[in-house]
Amino acid sequence: DIQMTQSPSSLSASVGDRVTITCRASQGIAHFLAWYQQKPGKVTKLLIYAASTLQSGVPSRFSGSGSGTDFTLTISSLQPEDVAIYYCQNYNSGSSITFGQGTRLDIK
Amino acid sequence: QVQLVQSGAEVKKPGSSVKVSCKVSGGTFNIHTITWLRQAPGQGLEWMGKIVPILGIKKYAEKFQGRVTITADESTRTVYMDLRSLTSEDTAVYYCARGADWFDPWGQGALVTVSS
Repeated sequence: DIQMTQSPSSLSASVGDRVTITCRASQGIAHFLAWYQQKPGKVTKLLIYAASTLQSGVPSRFSGSGSGTDFTLTISSLQPEDVAIYYCQNYNSGSSITFGQGTRLDIK
Repeated sequence: QVQLVQSGAEVKKPGSSVKVSCKVSGGTFNIHTITWLRQAPGQGLEWMGKIVPILGIKKYAEKFQGRVTITADESTRTVYMDLRSLTSEDTAVYYCARGADWFDPWGQGALVTVSS
């Protein structure tokens, strides 16, 4: 299976900050990557698929980039409602679907 | 819009089975893949398997082969995940989600606790 490694595992930032979360695949997965947001008591939410395509309804402050083995999720201006755990997910054809271990994002 | 509503929390004994349901409202039921995932306490997400109701196609993660069965009932628009021979390591929140590659939307999750 392809291993997905996120960094950092947790971070704390101020409202308005630019925040970047990194996801690295153990082998190349082209652009077959999705990002999710998980909040306590809320349904897990798809943010981005195909590495950089914003899901409908997701605020434009979220963006994704990368291909091959290195990917990033960026929040351009952190808002209080962005406090959550963020997961990357590989869906490379022919391989098992795997997730990163998650990045916990808090407000400083 | 499509919504997935799952059954409630369950407490099971080791060695028993659990069947979690996922009712799909909105959209065309049988053409979409429904995937099952789980998340053990404090852990990440794990893909378990999927079903495409209209094609009768099912695929399971190797880890769960022989122990999990996913079925769909078109008349009630409900997908089921049956997990057998439970151990304490199966204690987790079980999620259904629409999609085969990326997943949207997700169900709210169902906590299954395995304890003697």
